Amino acid sequence: GQNIDQPTEMTATEGAIVQINCTYQTSGFNGLFWYQQHAGEAPTFLSYNVLDGLEEKGRFSSFLSRSKGYSYLLLKELQMKDSASYLCAPQDSGAGSYQLTFGKGTKLSVIP
Amino acid sequence: EAQVTQNPRYLITVTGKKLTVTCSQNMNHEYMSWYRQDPGLGLRQIYYSMNVEVTDKGDVPEGYKVSRKEKRNFPLILESPSPNQTSLYFCASSYSGTGELFFGEGSRLTVL
Repeated sequence: GQNIDQPTEMTATEGAIVQINCTYQTSGFNGLFWYQQHAGEAPTFLSYNVLDGLEEKGRFSSFLSRSKGYSYLLLKELQMKDSASYLCAPQDSGAGSYQLTFGKGTKLSVIP
Repeated sequence: EAQVTQNPRYLITVTGKKLTVTCSQNMNHEYMSWYRQDPGLGLRQIYYSMNVEVTDKGDVPEGYKVSRKEKRNFPLILESPSPNQTSLYFCASSYSGTGELFFGEGSRLTVL
């Protein structure tokens, strides 16, 4: 099983930088996904980290430390449209299959 | 266009009336999965399928059935729905189970 912890809510100002943290405990670890979900819509893929370090993709970056069971999502130059929930999802490689377990999500509100 | 299609998108039904939520993907993905999403609980996996005729329970399978007779389709069956199955349901697929998950638009189900 997995234990995933991320903040429930965060608020940040338009144009600023925000970091959303995620800690996890897994029986077997293959990689970690971040998804974005706007209210009432389907989650959409943001990033995937397998190795330790920072992966940058435009205004979004994601960091992973496998030894610490820790990841963060960094959003730069925040825009109003970034108001959404951000889901941390470690991938468990135990039991011969690869299962994603989603955290409860961090609801980010971007204010003017 | 690559997509995961769910139907119906919205449904109100009564306790005990069998229903099926269909899910179809056109990306030739091997892996398909059903999730339910409830406030405060996040996305929880109901069932998944690694390939045709291969299905397995997720974290919350009680009250649900699935089948995978064809690669593209993965219907979710509620034999005798109850009010605690009122939820937002998402179907998702990926090429092999290790990669990015593509989600359908969601099916909002209300059981009275």
